[in-house]
Amino acid sequence: AQSVTQLDSHVSVSEGTPVLLRCNYSSSYSPSLFWYVQHPNKGLQLLLKYTSAATLVKGINGFEAEFKKSETSFHLTKPSAHMSDAAEYFCVVSGMDSNYQLIWGAGTKLIIKP
Amino acid sequence: GAVVSQHPSRVICKSGTSVKIECRSLDFQATTMFWYRQFPKQSLMLMATSNEGSKATYEQGVEKDKFLINHASLTLSTLTVTSAHPEDSSFYICSARDLGVGAYEQYFGPGTRLTVT
Repeated sequence: AQSVTQLDSHVSVSEGTPVLLRCNYSSSYSPSLFWYVQHPNKGLQLLLKYTSAATLVKGINGFEAEFKKSETSFHLTKPSAHMSDAAEYFCVVSGMDSNYQLIWGAGTKLIIKP
Repeated sequence: GAVVSQHPSRVICKSGTSVKIECRSLDFQATTMFWYRQFPKQSLMLMATSNEGSKATYEQGVEKDKFLINHASLTLSTLTVTSAHPEDSSFYICSARDLGVGAYEQYFGPGTRLTVT
C-alpha cells in the first residue's frame, strides 16, 4: 500500500531565504509523486510531478523536487522564497489501483516572514 | 488546456434541503472523476470515485445515500448532498483524469464551499 508523510505541519522562512518542505513516501511499486499548492480560498495547483523520468524535477514558480529512492523522499525546494509563496503545500503519491487514486499528505503550511 | 470547473463556487442552504454541485471538464474527456472533501486546515479526503456510465465507488465511511454521485457524460459529474445538516458544511473539490495526457495526473476544480445553516 502507498502512503505519504509530510514531516512538518508548518514551515516558516524569511523572504529571500531557501525553502525546504519535506516529504517521505511508502510504496510497493515505483511511484508517481506530485506536489500541489493551495493558496487561501483558491483551487489546487500542480507544482510539479515525478513519473519515473529524471529524478530532479523542475516545476513552476522556481520550485523543484528530487526523487531519492534510497531515502524514499521527495522533498520540495526553492532557492529564494517570495511572499506570494505563502500557501498550503501537499505531497501526493499515486496509488496503483485501476483508478490511480491519489494519496494525500497532511499538508505543510508555508509561512513567509517579511 | 485541462480545465475543470465547478458550480456553484459557494452555496448556503438550510438544514434538511438538498444541494447539487456540478463538476465539468471543459476541454477534455474525463472517464474518471473524483470527489474530495476538505475540512478547514486539513488535507483532502477522497469521498468517491466516479466512472462514466457506472455507479460511483465510495470510500469507507462515506454514506452513498447521502452523497449522491452521477457521472452521466464524459464531461460532467454531479454531487448531490441530500438532507444537508450543519456537519456537512465543508469545502468540496472535484478532479478529473485525462486519459489523453496520462493515467496519473488529475486536474482539480476550484472547489465549492457549502455552508448549511
